[in-house]
This record gives sequence, structure tokens and C-alpha cells, in this order.
Amino acid sequence: EVVLTQSPGTLSLSPGERATLSCRASQRVSSSYLAWYQHKPGQAPRLLIYGASYRATGIPDRFSGIGSGTDFTLTISRLELEDFSVYSCQQSETLPSTFGQGTKVEIK
Amino acid sequence: QVQLQQSGPGLVKPSETLSLTCTVSGASIRSFYWTWIRQPAGRGLEWIGQVFSTGTTNYNPSLESRVTMSLDTSKSQFSLKLTSMTAADTALYYCARAYNRYFDFWGQGILVTVSS
Repeated sequence: EVVLTQSPGTLSLSPGERATLSCRASQRVSSSYLAWYQHKPGQAPRLLIYGASYRATGIPDRFSGIGSGTDFTLTISRLELEDFSVYSCQQSETLPSTFGQGTKVEIK
Repeated sequence: QVQLQQSGPGLVKPSETLSLTCTVSGASIRSFYWTWIRQPAGRGLEWIGQVFSTGTTNYNPSLESRVTMSLDTSKSQFSLKLTSMTAADTALYYCARAYNRYFDFWGQGILVTVSS
């Protein structure tokens, strides 16, 4: 199966700062099949980005995704209080679909 | 608006079978793949498998021997059965819609604890 490794495990930043999250795949993943999710305690995960770079419906433009091959990045340009959360990448190029272990973005 | 409402027990005894149901509204269950995903405490999300309205299923090889998924179009529901539950299966279980292989709508999640 495709293993997704996210880094860093925890990112400590202040509101207004830029967050850069990495997702590295153990083998090539088509950008069409790479997604990012945000999840908060007590809530279902929320789709942010699909196809590596396309924002899902209702997602603010401060969220952006880029990448290809084995390296993908989620960027939050200016952190707002509601953005402090856990973010996971997911691939569905090959089954089983797999997720990264998550990056926690916490308030510094 | 697509909504997924999960139902099922929050506590299962070791060796017993977990049964969860997800009721879909706002979308046709005859389209799309419908998926089960879980998250053990302190760990990442794990894809359990998916079911299509034709009955086609795909399961995670790590769970395949214990998993059965089914779909009832008349009730707009799909279900998960996981046999021989152990403490390692304690997790938050989600149902979700797979749209072009990503998950755009999710159920509210059910915390399932395996304990005697």
C-alpha cells in the first residue's frame, strides 16, 4: 500500500502566520488522487483540497495545495483562529486508499 | 444538502460483531461509492472499505477477512459488519461518500469501544 508521511508532526504558529504542511508518498501518486482534510475534535473531517490543488466548495482561498509525484504541500497563507486543527493527506490512486498520520497546527 | 446519519452501538464485547449503519439523504445512494473509515485514538485515519449500489465492494486487506459491507437502496442505507472485535478495533468510525475517490460528505462519527 502507499504510505503517506506527513511533516512536521506539529506546527506551532501564531495567527496571521503562514503554515506549510508536507505530505510525501512512498510511491508516485497522480495529483488527481491526492486530497487534504481538516479535522477537529468532535467533528467529522472536512474536505479542503482535492486533485492536489483544487479547493472544495466553501473553502477559503487562504488554503492552497500543490504537488506532484511523491511530494505534496498544503499551505495556509494567513492562519486564522479556526484553522488551528489537524490536517491529513489522503491518496486514492491505489487501493487501499491511505491517509497520512496528520499534522497538528497549534497556536504558538 | 447531502447528509449521512450513522447509527449503531458505542460498546461491543470482545469477539463479538460490530454492526453500523449509515443513512443517506440528499443524494442518490445508487450513485457513488460509499465508504467506511475509522480512527483509533491518537492515530491517523484508516480506510476500511467501500460499497457500490451494484454490490461491488473493496476492502482494506488488513481487515478483509473480518469485514462485510452492504447497501440497501430501498432504505438509502449502507452498512458495515466487522467480526471478531478486539481492543485494537476501538476507534471512531465514520461513514463517508466517495466522490471521484475523495470523501466529500461524512457522517458524524461513532466512537466504538471494545470492552467486556
